[in-house]
Amino acid sequence: GAVVSQHPSRVICKSGTSVKIECRSLDFQATTMFWYRQFPKQSLMLMATSNEGSKATYEQGVEKDKFLINHASLTLSTLTVTSAHPEDSSFYICSAGDGANPEQYFGPGTRLTVT
Amino acid sequence: GEDVEQSLFLSVREGDSSVINCTYTDSSSTYLYWYKQEPGAGLQLLTYIFSNMDMKQDQRLTVLLNKKDKHLSLRIADTQTGDSAIYFCAAKGLSGGYNKLIFGAGTRLAVHP
Repeated sequence: GAVVSQHPSRVICKSGTSVKIECRSLDFQATTMFWYRQFPKQSLMLMATSNEGSKATYEQGVEKDKFLINHASLTLSTLTVTSAHPEDSSFYICSAGDGANPEQYFGPGTRLTVT
Repeated sequence: GEDVEQSLFLSVREGDSSVINCTYTDSSSTYLYWYKQEPGAGLQLLTYIFSNMDMKQDQRLTVLLNKKDKHLSLRIADTQTGDSAIYFCAAKGLSGGYNKLIFGAGTRLAVHP
């Protein structure tokens, strides 16, 4: 299947700082990318959907000013957690699709720990 | 909105078949998916089925879809210890103008000798 990468795989940051997570589609053009958050032993919670070149659509309850999403190209989307706090600690996973096919591929995830 | 439910835990003996069940509520869901997640990793797409099909087979995996009952199952033949993982069922439907995947809570499959 197609490959989606995320960077970094793990990050530890201090409370109040911002962290950027990158999601790349390596072998296809991702017209749509999705950002999820997963708490331990729980399912995935969709945070936002982004289409290349347009503003992201956020799910209810997700603060768009705190979780900044940029999808500037067909192979890259970034999620920036601004002014991170310990409650933002979580596993963040992106996924991507090309819009023409039903497959949606996931990245390996980024473990964020805010101290 | 769409709701997807799965049983939380399944234990099988190595070599037996595993059957993981899932139900969904939105009859207009277009595609239904099965993903596998190993500890600390992302989700691996195992297979998916279009809503107008009732069965799809791919090597050791068989997906059955009962659209009338909105019931989906994943059968893993000859289950191996490497199949131990969490399996997520997901349904794709239009919500808010975008195709979104709605996930179940995941079924933890434990394979023992």
